[in-house]
Amino acid sequence: GQQLNQSPQSMFIQEGEDVSMNCTSSSIFNTWLWYKQDPGEGPVLLIALYKAGELTSNGRLTAQFGITRKDSFLNISASIPSDVGIYFCAGQRIGSNTGKLIFGQGTTLQVKP
Amino acid sequence: ETGVTQTPRHLVMGMTNKKSLKCEQHLGHNAMYWYKQSAKKPLELMFVYSLEERVENNSVPSRFSPECPNSSHLFLHLHTLQPEDSALYLCASSQRTGMNTEAFFGQGTRLTVV
Repeated sequence: GQQLNQSPQSMFIQEGEDVSMNCTSSSIFNTWLWYKQDPGEGPVLLIALYKAGELTSNGRLTAQFGITRKDSFLNISASIPSDVGIYFCAGQRIGSNTGKLIFGQGTTLQVKP
Repeated sequence: ETGVTQTPRHLVMGMTNKKSLKCEQHLGHNAMYWYKQSAKKPLELMFVYSLEERVENNSVPSRFSPECPNSSHLFLHLHTLQPEDSALYLCASSQRTGMNTEAFFGQGTRLTVV
């Protein structure tokens, strides 16, 4: 089935460093969402994007909806230990009217204090 | 009170058992979803209910049976499961207005089939 290609699969960084991850699709999307999941919990919505080119921030997090509508990236600035977790991108394809989201495989982030 | 609540948080069941997962949303949303999350795999959409009507069933085996009695509650009835069905089952809800599709997730039920 349709999948999003999310990269990198995992990252191990030093506290204070900036982080960047992205998702690409072969289809055009009308929605991009970024979630974070802590161990044993459900994903929590971080940022929602609805327009091509849109750049949105949430604290130290910044995400962009690619101009081609086939990609999105998430940046985390000045990482801290509580940023540890799995980050997922999710999108809805153009023409979909059932609310179906397609998820990336996730990026596991580890932060060394 | 959290937005989307799932019970139980953990469930161990034998292959011949019948059990049900429950999801309740307090967000006033009109759509609810079941997702399956297995290790090293992306989240897989299982069922979508919009205005209490099932609008999508992603080729899920009949041993999984959803029920949506009203817009706030969603159940997943389980029977004669297989060990490969062990996974984290996540419920989500959203308000389907226009193109917005922000889904809010519960904490999940960790299911182990023995």
